[in-house]
Amino acid sequence: EAGVTQFPSHSVIEKGQTVTLRCDPISGHDNLYWYRRVMGKEIKFLLHFVKESKQDESGMPNNRFLAERTGGTYSTLKVQPAELEDSGVYFCASSQNRVKAFFGQGTRLTVV
Amino acid sequence: GEDVEQSLFLSVREGDSSVINCTYTDSSSTYLYWYKQEPGAGLQLLTYIFSNMDMKQDQRLTVLLNKKDKHLSLRIADTQTGDSAIFFCAESDTGYSTLTFGKGTMLLVSP
Repeated sequence: EAGVTQFPSHSVIEKGQTVTLRCDPISGHDNLYWYRRVMGKEIKFLLHFVKESKQDESGMPNNRFLAERTGGTYSTLKVQPAELEDSGVYFCASSQNRVKAFFGQGTRLTVV
Repeated sequence: GEDVEQSLFLSVREGDSSVINCTYTDSSSTYLYWYKQEPGAGLQLLTYIFSNMDMKQDQRLTVLLNKKDKHLSLRIADTQTGDSAIFFCAESDTGYSTLTFGKGTMLLVSP
């Protein structure tokens, strides 16, 4: 069974540019989460989808971040325009029963 | 808000037992988790414990939960060099499924 897949694994962009991260959850998992780890800090929750609906987006830092999950399958997280403080590792996770969440390998975003 | 604290670093010798500790503040925590991150890899769910349990054992891993003191520990028996990784403690609240993580404990196992 394929795990959670994230793309790209690394991205280096200039301040002010746009970046789109993609997450493919485990097939059949209705719950999809985005988390972020900024250097030296905790892994922080960003938002939670149930199928295509946003269940909780309380962790989204500001309106430069836009997450979508059209059709309830894969999800994208767009940062526009990117700022230096957006650098970090973005993790996606999926869950079938909300008890066990399986994480992807993460996307390391560097904004220069 | 919720807070999860862990020591940042632990060094042990191969064959010894490792004990990684974690404290949390949310009294309504329902599930407590240990995740492992190896270099260059994602977060791997190692084990989890429901808040009405005080111990869970899975092969070399033993999780102990002291709910009164809000203290969670992960014991790894017969630690191997391949166990070197960052271990994250996390909790989730009743009725929610989002995770609150600690900063992670880097375990270094020397031969």
